[in-house]
Amino acid sequence: NAGVTQTPKFQVLKTGQSMTLQCAQDMNHEYMSWYRQDPGMGLRLIHYSVGAGITDQGEVPNGYNVSRSTTEDFPLRLLSAAPSQTSVYFCASSSQIRGKPWEQYFGPGTRLTVT
Amino acid sequence: GIQVEQSPPDLILQEGANSTLRCNFSDSVNNLQWFHQNPWGQLINLFYIPSGTKQNGRLSATTVATERYSLLYISSSQTTDSGVYFCASRNTGFQKLVFGTGTRLLVSP
Repeated sequence: NAGVTQTPKFQVLKTGQSMTLQCAQDMNHEYMSWYRQDPGMGLRLIHYSVGAGITDQGEVPNGYNVSRSTTEDFPLRLLSAAPSQTSVYFCASSSQIRGKPWEQYFGPGTRLTVT
Repeated sequence: GIQVEQSPPDLILQEGANSTLRCNFSDSVNNLQWFHQNPWGQLINLFYIPSGTKQNGRLSATTVATERYSLLYISSSQTTDSGVYFCASRNTGFQKLVFGTGTRLLVSP
């Protein structure tokens, strides 16, 4: 079991560029989510998905898109990078009990810098 | 929404010492996890513990759901225990984990 994997580990973008952060899990979890971690702000939810084909917005969704075509993959797209998106991005997946997400597992993170 | 407070915010220990970290919640806990964020930034699951007591090696945790707090015990601390310890619980709608502000632990040799 690889758990939750993310690529790339590090990325530098110029303002206005777009890119996709990849996330995959091999635990057959229905529930997946993306967080960003910034100093003094803790972890904030960007988008989440309760299963293939179903996504919804979290606390800070502006500037990001997601899709969920398979159970395993949940990519995060930055449409037009801005310096305010400089952050560490974590993908997570959760086991479920009676349709509700339960214990959450995090990927290793992607450190993104936008210049 | 639920508020999560952790104490102490910072802790410095000599190797071999014991410590207790505390997590208080403003509302009833529907699930609760403890994580360790190591110096490389990885978030590592320590315990899933909505109630009761669990032990894993030198670490143990206790959650008293009726009194809205959880404790993490670290015994015989090692330098590899350094990092930030977070507790977290699901919000009412279950969409997200609400994290505490963390306890930053430094264990010196």
